[in-house]
Amino acid sequence: GQQLNQSPQSMFIQEGEDVSMNCTSSSIFNTWLWYKQDPGEGPVLLIALYKAGELTSNGRLTAQFGITRKDSFLNISASIPSDVGIYFCAGSYSNTGNQFYFGTGTSLTVIP
Amino acid sequence: SQTIHQWPATLVQPVGSPLSLECTVEGTSNPNLYWYRQAAGRGLQLLFYSVGIGQISSEVPQNLSASRPQDRQFILSSKKLLLSDSGFYLCAWSVSLEQYFGPGTRLTVT
Repeated sequence: GQQLNQSPQSMFIQEGEDVSMNCTSSSIFNTWLWYKQDPGEGPVLLIALYKAGELTSNGRLTAQFGITRKDSFLNISASIPSDVGIYFCAGSYSNTGNQFYFGTGTSLTVIP
Repeated sequence: SQTIHQWPATLVQPVGSPLSLECTVEGTSNPNLYWYRQAAGRGLQLLFYSVGIGQISSEVPQNLSASRPQDRQFILSSKKLLLSDSGFYLCAWSVSLEQYFGPGTRLTVT
């Protein structure tokens, strides 16, 4: 299956700093999803995007559906220690949600 | 609200033994169901997905199989485990354009 390019692979930041990560695909998607995974747990859906150009926030998190429909971005403002984890993007072509393609993940470490 | 359960949470099995992991979803009807494997905390590999009872699509040929005996039940099986089957197995469901994951099963094959 298709693999999305997610960058950076890992980030080490100071508490309070802002974080940006992105995901690119060679194909057009209809839906972009962003997840956070804590160690030993399943990924948790953070934000879902359905329309090109859409900008959606969830607390300190903001995600955007790229205009070309081939990319998406996630920003975290004023990071805190509990933001530590692996962030995954996922995209879907389908209008029925049959298949989702995942990025390789961004590992975030927040230094207090 | 919808919830997804997976069991067991952890499992240690010897090489060559059988496997059965179960996933159930509550609070929704006719969901799409998925099994993923994750190695070393990164990279979700789709193994199987199902759009209805008895309908299974396999993404990766291997010694694993999946079955969906009921609308909200998805089972991952193997007749003989390999060392390479070790990993973190995640079940997921979707009914629209969003996908939700279960808590996962950590499988160690020794």
